[in-house]
Amino acid sequence: KAGVTQTPRYLIKTRGQQVTLSCSPISGHRSVSWYQQTPGQGLQFLFEYFSETQRNKGNFPGRFSGRQFSNSRSEMNVSTLELGDSALYLCASSLTGGGSQETQYFGPGTRLLVL
Amino acid sequence: AQSVTQLDSQVPVFEEAPVELRCNYSSSVSVYLFWYVQYPNQGLQLLLKYLSGSTLVESINGFEAEFNKSQTSFHLRKPSVHISDTAEYFCAVSPYSGAGSYQLTFGKGTKLSVIP
Repeated sequence: KAGVTQTPRYLIKTRGQQVTLSCSPISGHRSVSWYQQTPGQGLQFLFEYFSETQRNKGNFPGRFSGRQFSNSRSEMNVSTLELGDSALYLCASSLTGGGSQETQYFGPGTRLLVL
Repeated sequence: AQSVTQLDSQVPVFEEAPVELRCNYSSSVSVYLFWYVQYPNQGLQLLLKYLSGSTLVESINGFEAEFNKSQTSFHLRKPSVHISDTAEYFCAVSPYSGAGSYQLTFGKGTKLSVIP
């Protein structure tokens, strides 16, 4: 069974641009979560989607948004990029998100560099 | 709200020596506890988790962690490390919940370097 896949793996953008990252969960998984990883702040939760609905959101500005499609694939968008948005963005999927004891499986991440 | 403190940012250890990576958490509600490992240029992999029952949990590659409720700790140990254990280790918590939101709070990570 294929794992969580994220595209692109690497991305370079300039300040003010916007970016869209994609995540394909493990087949059959319906819950997708996004995390930002930086050296300074570590791993921080962005949001979680289940059945095309955002179910939980972390403490990030409105420039960070996401969506989930009917096939459970998810995208996250960052508008008006800032230098501080440079990070590794990790996507994780779980079966139903029906209980926080479920294991989340992480993708390899998209490394975003903002110049 | 939850918070996780990993007391050591870097831990060097000689091959075949024992290691302990420390993790303390704070939460106003009951939580599940996890250890994840991240190898260079890879995503996170679940190492082990504590949900309920026996406070000592083990992974398939020789790591174990013990949940101590009174000390709010979940330290990770291995009696004899291997070069391949070199990686960054993250402790995480998630609040009990029924169907619905799923959110992990991570510590800042501990980089384990195994020296030959």
